[in-house]
Amino acid sequence: DAGVIQSPRHEVTEMGQEVTLRCKPISGHDYLFWYRQTMMRGLELLIYFNNNVPIDDSGMPEDRFSAKMPNASFSTLKIQPSEPRDSAVYFCASSSPSYEQYFGPGTRLTVT
Amino acid sequence: AQTVTQSQPEMSVQEAETVTLSCTYDTSESDYYLFWYKQPPSRQMILVIRQEAYKQQNATENRFSVNFQKAAKSFSLKISDSQLGDAAMYFCAYSRPQGAQKLVFGQGTRLTINP
Repeated sequence: DAGVIQSPRHEVTEMGQEVTLRCKPISGHDYLFWYRQTMMRGLELLIYFNNNVPIDDSGMPEDRFSAKMPNASFSTLKIQPSEPRDSAVYFCASSSPSYEQYFGPGTRLTVT
Repeated sequence: AQTVTQSQPEMSVQEAETVTLSCTYDTSESDYYLFWYKQPPSRQMILVIRQEAYKQQNATENRFSVNFQKAAKSFSLKISDSQLGDAAMYFCAYSRPQGAQKLVFGQGTRLTINP
């Protein structure tokens, strides 16, 4: 298996622009998680899905952030409009119930 | 809410020596999972070891072992025969066992291996 795939690996954008991060989970995993890693706040869960349905989005910082999972093999995290404080590494992870989460390589987002 | 605390921002050890990374957590749950993840400079999060709270036996994976003290809510990671490739950030994490494992992470410990 190729593992969790994220794209792009690096994204540099200007403040105010829309940013879309993409994730392909491991086949057969029915849970998908989006995390954000910053120096100030560490690793924090933004949202997770079960069978393509958003279950808990309490970690989403504000309305500028949205996430979708249109099918079992694809999810997006969108930021519109982006701000410099959104600069971080964004991880996608997937798992089956009661099993370990497998992380993707992350997307490093820089908003200037 | 559950919290995870790693009180050692940085640690260093000589190659081939043994090092222990500390982690404490706070929860009112009786059943849960604890994890150690490794994040090398490539930033990939790699699972090192996992411990189920209901198991009294400490988990072991090759050179990596844990000291799980449930009453003290302590979960330390011991790395034996340290190797240069062990240099990384190490994160302790907690999750509930049912359904989705929402991970709560500690702040991390940066481990340096001195040749």
